[in-house]
Amino acid sequence: DIQMTQSPSSLSASVGDRVTITCRASQSISSYLNWYQQKPGKAPKLLIYAASNLQSGVPSRFSGSGSGTDFTLTISSLQPEDFATYYCQQSYTTPYSFGQGTKLEIK
Amino acid sequence: QVQLQESGPGLVKPSQTLSLTCTVSGGSISSGSYYWSWIRQPAGKGLEWIGRIYSSGTTNYNASLKSRVTISVDTSKNQLSLKLSSVTAADTAVYYCAREFVDWLYPLDPWGQGTLVTVSS
Repeated sequence: DIQMTQSPSSLSASVGDRVTITCRASQSISSYLNWYQQKPGKAPKLLIYAASNLQSGVPSRFSGSGSGTDFTLTISSLQPEDFATYYCQQSYTTPYSFGQGTKLEIK
Repeated sequence: QVQLQESGPGLVKPSQTLSLTCTVSGGSISSGSYYWSWIRQPAGKGLEWIGRIYSSGTTNYNASLKSRVTISVDTSKNQLSLKLSSVTAADTAVYYCAREFVDWLYPLDPWGQGTLVTVSS
């Protein structure tokens, strides 16, 4: 099975900051990497698919990059509504697997 | 706009079978462009993929649960279902259904709102 490792596990930042979250796969997954945002009590929401494609309706301050084993999610200028937990997920092969999550908190 | 809604008992006794249904509205579960997945999340923890089904009935399961999991689809009702047998407290979680779009390299979108299942006597 493919293991997904996110870093950091938690992050404190301020409104307006630029934030980067990284995700590493235990083997190459090409561009089969997705990013989700989850707020307390809610289902995850797709932000980025296929490593770098912005899902419709998602603000352009979110961006994704990478291929192979190393990927990043960047938020260019944090807004109050961005404080949440973020997960990466590989869809290269089943069983699909998720990173452990990165909790983004207000500094 | 496709929407998914999970339903089923919120409380299941240990050793019994957990049964959930996901109703799809705004689109056909028979569409050839999609798989349909189940994912779960214990309270305060991360996400675990359980398995998926194609409209043809082809399934893939997480090996960690495979012997206990059955996913099926009822195209006449536009529903998919999840059965998890011999449950224990470790199966207590919020269970989500979600759609995978084949053409976009299989992202999960959208998700249902989730349903909490507690395993307890």
